[in-house]
Amino acid sequence: AAGVIQSPRHLIKEKRETATLKCYPIPRHDTVYWYQQGPGQDPQFLISFYEKMQSDKGSIPDRFSAQQFSDYHSELNMSSLELGDSALYFCASSYRTQGSEQYFGPGTRLTVT
Amino acid sequence: AQSVTQLGSHVSVSEGALVLLRCNYSSSVPPYLFWYVQYPNQGLQLLLKYTSAATLVKGINGFEAEFKKSETSFHLTKPSAHMSDAAEYFCAVWGVADMRFGAGTRLTVKP
Repeated sequence: AAGVIQSPRHLIKEKRETATLKCYPIPRHDTVYWYQQGPGQDPQFLISFYEKMQSDKGSIPDRFSAQQFSDYHSELNMSSLELGDSALYFCASSYRTQGSEQYFGPGTRLTVT
Repeated sequence: AQSVTQLGSHVSVSEGALVLLRCNYSSSVPPYLFWYVQYPNQGLQLLLKYTSAATLVKGINGFEAEFKKSETSFHLTKPSAHMSDAAEYFCAVWGVADMRFGAGTRLTVKP
């Protein structure tokens, strides 16, 4: 079965640079979520999209933005990167039904030096 | 607001022993509860999900969890641990619009 695809898997950036992470949800899933997982931490919700419209926002910094495109893939744009942005970034997708399980991608490991 | 608390950040068992990972939830409405497993450098994989259809939920890899409303618990168990079960386990509850995760429990399996 098709899974959530994320690219790149690894990314190294310097402070103050920008980064773009991509997510391709499971076909026919209508909702995409972005999470950030710091070292030894649980995933923290950043933002979600339903049918290409921003649905909910969590603890996403103002330096970050995201969007979902007509083909349902989503991109997380991160600017003015800081050392503390180093983390695993996960994308998940699901159906919009309340309580639907989310399926996670393999993650993008971002290292800011 | 919905939340979950995992008791014990680290659990160590011997191969073949019972695995018990504890999770308690807080929710003002009937909760949707999940257990996910994360292997090193990988994403989260769904183990099982509770949706009120049955209090005992069976998942993949021999894991199961029992929903106990009186105890507000959703503990994860496996009768016999295998070396391949070593991983980080996250309990989660469906919030208003997102998944709320516990802090995670790292399971170590000793030979």
